[in-house]
Amino acid sequence: AQKVTQAQTEISVVEKEDVTLDCVYETRDTTYYLFWYKQPPSGELVFLIRRNSFDEQNEISGRYSWNFQKSTSSFNFTITASQVVDSAVYFCALSESGNQFYFGTGTSLTVIP
Amino acid sequence: DAGVIQSPRHEVTEMGQEVTLRCKPISGHNSLFWYRQTMMRGLELLIYFNNNVPIDDSGMPEDRFSAKMPNASFSTLKIQPSEPRDSAVYFCASSLGGIYYEQYFGPGTRLTVT
Repeated sequence: AQKVTQAQTEISVVEKEDVTLDCVYETRDTTYYLFWYKQPPSGELVFLIRRNSFDEQNEISGRYSWNFQKSTSSFNFTITASQVVDSAVYFCALSESGNQFYFGTGTSLTVIP
Repeated sequence: DAGVIQSPRHEVTEMGQEVTLRCKPISGHNSLFWYRQTMMRGLELLIYFNNNVPIDDSGMPEDRFSAKMPNASFSTLKIQPSEPRDSAVYFCASSLGGIYYEQYFGPGTRLTVT
């Protein structure tokens, strides 16, 4: 079974639309961390956010927001008023005890001008 | 401040040759990670080091792959002998404290084995 599931392989939106990228994780640990990374067409992975399992507060950073819900094992990422520069592959990731780290398969977002 | 530095950025080699990829982590970071990215398998963690010591190498595909970290500012990933199926982008990343902290990635090395 996948430890991190990003069911949306590809998403296309028109500029200025809002878009939510889904991430569902699986773990039995009580302490774990969740991450989002962005991989633009240039190829380099860029860190976006880190969240520990004890902090379920939603986070907002500019046009980006994250919704962490332990009840549904989800850590979804929303981009508000999308822009062409948001076009990238976005990866969700999980780290848990035993030195285990997992990336999801990524969601490719295309923002159409 | 300099980010993670990887060299070479591109490598083309023939099957059977030895390939060495190099990485310089961010100064002050004590954890270093090697990843491989392919279309088929996505991003795979190959190995990671804490304080220059390998912690988990369960992702290393086979004995042809080896990684070393002789000091806090340098690591190598070696493939010997290389095979066409090793063609991929190899990323190095570093963090302040293992897998629970955010990782900062280098630009990657695109390896092509013919």
